[in-house]
Amino acid sequence: KNQVEQSPQSLIILEGKNCTLQCNYTVSPFSNLRWYKQDTGRGPVSLTIMTFSENTKSNGRYTATLDADTKQSSLHITASQLSDSASYICVVRGRTGNQFYFGTGTSLTVIP
Amino acid sequence: DAGVTQSPTHLIKTRGQQVTLRCSPKSGHDTVSWYQQALGQGPQFIFQYYEEEERQRGNFPDRFSGHQFPNYSSELNVNALLLGDSALYLCASSFGQPYGYTFGSGTRLTVV
Repeated sequence: KNQVEQSPQSLIILEGKNCTLQCNYTVSPFSNLRWYKQDTGRGPVSLTIMTFSENTKSNGRYTATLDADTKQSSLHITASQLSDSASYICVVRGRTGNQFYFGTGTSLTVIP
Repeated sequence: DAGVTQSPTHLIKTRGQQVTLRCSPKSGHDTVSWYQQALGQGPQFIFQYYEEEERQRGNFPDRFSGHQFPNYSSELNVNALLLGDSALYLCASSFGQPYGYTFGSGTRLTVV
């Protein structure tokens, strides 16, 4: 069964600190993996997109890594800001069809 | 370049009523997917429309139906609303390119 699991479920960090979010998936065959940031009540916004041949992708203070062998990805946030408070969702696209598999997300709260 | 546009942004309906949500895809996109996101959960795939036909469907009852128009815009209809239908409904558009997947801001539906 194609699944995407994220951890931790929620996280609280101090402003300026770094954090790492995890995503494990069982989707096969696999096309690409995306990390989205979703503010409360809003649609998800894409942060990074990686194919199976890419190991790392950065977008400002966000850096995603991918290990296609172990089917694991992480999203590292550097020097967190209050505006980073949001849900971060890992989405895996299968290679067949146009189907996307969503994790349940990690809720990040950055406090002053 | 307009992104994905959804309307209305918020909606309150009474149990048993019917509702129609609307989505205009990003310019150049021809595929529209609908997702239901309950509070604190990841989005759940409802169905996808391409060339005015439903191409894929998730595990949702027939009360959920949709339509795609020649201009690629789409509607999601939900009949006989239940309290459990209260959620954020997200529309995402794509053009078959693996990277071209954009979300709208969603419609918040509350069933009372």
